[in-house]
Amino acid sequence: DGGITQSPKYLFRKEGQNVTLSCEQNLNHDAMYWYRQDPGQGLRLIYYSQIVNDFQKGDIAEGYSVSREKKESFPLTVTSAQKNPTAFYLCASSIPSGRAGTQYFGPGTRLTVL
Amino acid sequence: ILNVEQSPQSLHVQEGDSTNFTCSFPSSNFYALHWYRWETAKSPEALFVMTLNGDEKKKGRISATLNTKEGYSYLYIKGSQPEDSATYLCALEINDMRFGAGTRLTVKP
Repeated sequence: DGGITQSPKYLFRKEGQNVTLSCEQNLNHDAMYWYRQDPGQGLRLIYYSQIVNDFQKGDIAEGYSVSREKKESFPLTVTSAQKNPTAFYLCASSIPSGRAGTQYFGPGTRLTVL
Repeated sequence: ILNVEQSPQSLHVQEGDSTNFTCSFPSSNFYALHWYRWETAKSPEALFVMTLNGDEKKKGRISATLNTKEGYSYLYIKGSQPEDSATYLCALEINDMRFGAGTRLTVKP
């Protein structure tokens, strides 16, 4: 089946630790995105990538890093520099922006910092 | 930062009521306006993609319109059912995707 997978579903982290969230897609999409959702707020864009080996910062990139070494994979690292990392993280993929392409979302990872 | 506004923030209706919500945006310079439905414990799913002023899309009891000149889109649900309960997100496709905060709809049996 085609789709997007994110792992793990729940993640607990101690303060000061880096943690990496996985996102994999087999939809053959060029573009991939990471969003963060906090209670009562919409989806805020962290990073996006329109093509392999290239990515751009979104509105809230500080404290996060990404890589796009393969078309299928777009892992997000939440670093210790992120001051308030507890949130729900969604990954999405689509055809390149500018073509009215639907974004397809993974099931999300809920990160809690202890 | 381009802000996409959605109203109301939440809505409670009775089964059988028809309802509508609004997505407003400041720019006419975008590729498409998207509507998504996000049910609890699931991933957001696409409802509609609209690109042209005056676009109207329909899927069953749900329809949407787009007015690019005045910067808004309406989503209508006719005869709401409990299974329509979800958060409805609109998003503006520019170089990336800008989401509104959503309208949380609760349909009571």
